[in-house]
Amino acid sequence: SQQGEEDPQALSIQEGENATMNCSYKTSINNLQWYRQNSGRGLVHLILIRSNEREKHSGRLRVTLDTSKKSSSLLITASRAADTASYFCATDFYGNNRLAFGKGNQVVVIP
Amino acid sequence: EAQVTQNPRYLITVTGKKLTVTCSQNMNHEYMSWYRQDPGLGLRQIYYSMNVEVTDKGDVPEGYKVSRKEKRNFPLILESPSPNQTSLYFCASSHKPQETQYFGPGTRLLVL
Repeated sequence: SQQGEEDPQALSIQEGENATMNCSYKTSINNLQWYRQNSGRGLVHLILIRSNEREKHSGRLRVTLDTSKKSSSLLITASRAADTASYFCATDFYGNNRLAFGKGNQVVVIP
Repeated sequence: EAQVTQNPRYLITVTGKKLTVTCSQNMNHEYMSWYRQDPGLGLRQIYYSMNVEVTDKGDVPEGYKVSRKEKRNFPLILESPSPNQTSLYFCASSHKPQETQYFGPGTRLLVL
């Protein structure tokens, strides 16, 4: 089944550095969403970017969407230890009735 | 406070013993869904519901049942659990399926 797929799968950075992760998908979408999950807890919505948008900001988060390449990136600037989590992208490709999640991207921010 | 609640949070059971995981949301959302999360496989959708009395299969529906008799509740039923259903389960809700999903805290299930 089609899914958003994150890249890289795991990332370890020093506090204060920027973290960038990518998501690719295979079919046309209406929107793409990013979620964060702290160890074993429920996912928390971070940002939604629609197919007619190219870039969106929310605090220290910056999301880009390139529909021609079918890819999105999530940038976390000036990372903090509290940003340590798994990050998932999700796309709504199944005729608007469902979201498909990628396998997640583990980010570790070292204090 | 707007939230999705799940119960129980942790459950250990034995093969074949029927169980129900409850899910409730207080945001008047039409859309609700169940996911399971397994290492290396990410989140996979089990069932979803567009509204009361409207449910449909997700990617991995085998061995599960759901019902949507009220808008706020969407229980997940395992009629005869098996060890391969050991997983972390999440319920989620939203106004529309393509909009922001609000997740419950998760239910960790172990089937012996």
